Amino acid sequence: EVQLVESGGGLVQPGGSLRLSCAASGFTFSSCAMSWVRQAPGKGLEWVSIISTRGTNTYYADSVKGRFTISRDNSKNTLYLQMNSLRAEDTAVYYCAKDLRAGQWSYSMDVWGKGTTVTVSS
Amino acid sequence: QSALTQPASVSGSPGQSITISCTGTSSDVGGYNYVSWYQQHPGKAPKLMIYEDNKRPSGVSNRFSGSKSGNTASLTISGLQAEDEADYYCSSYTSSSTFGVFGGGTKLTVL
Repeated sequence: EVQLVESGGGLVQPGGSLRLSCAASGFTFSSCAMSWVRQAPGKGLEWVSIISTRGTNTYYADSVKGRFTISRDNSKNTLYLQMNSLRAEDTAVYYCAKDLRAGQWSYSMDVWGKGTTVTVSS
Repeated sequence: QSALTQPASVSGSPGQSITISCTGTSSDVGGYNYVSWYQQHPGKAPKLMIYEDNKRPSGVSNRFSGSKSGNTASLTISGLQAEDEADYYCSSYTSSSTFGVFGGGTKLTVL
């Protein structure tokens, strides 16, 4: 079964850091671009970041650029999101998602995790 | 990045057809064949319904179809069913950020 399982969410104070993980199984992780997408409470989806298959190309939303870092460990089938200098507006459910096409960018995500909740509050 | 523009809500009766629009620019929707549509039920993860403007993933009902004209993409759902009630989001590759952007979402109500 193709599966993505996020972990690492929690309550953190403004200015703090958190590292999210996403464990992948059931597909060739190293062949797929991966993304993080977030959803603030009661709001829409926001594409946060995307990483190429080998991790050599990464892109970020303006709202997180310079504060968040996406990375991957293909030997461990795991995607990461390092979040620093967290703000209240980063409060959201964070989803990891797999690109539809192996070996190329399709900018469509066909497998999603259930999400992990990040709350930034004092 | 500016979100793509979707209507906040649409509604229809069972059996009817509805269309949700997604308006962007030539830097995103109109410039590339990378529009996707996602369905999201409350408390659940999004589900891919349409990719590359008009293609359906395996397992998605053929009641769902995608199209595009200029800078506006559309999702049409025919033969509305109660289970179609959900939020729908479009997304597209955008050259302004070199990856992707979502629309604000549309709440579909089945009357």
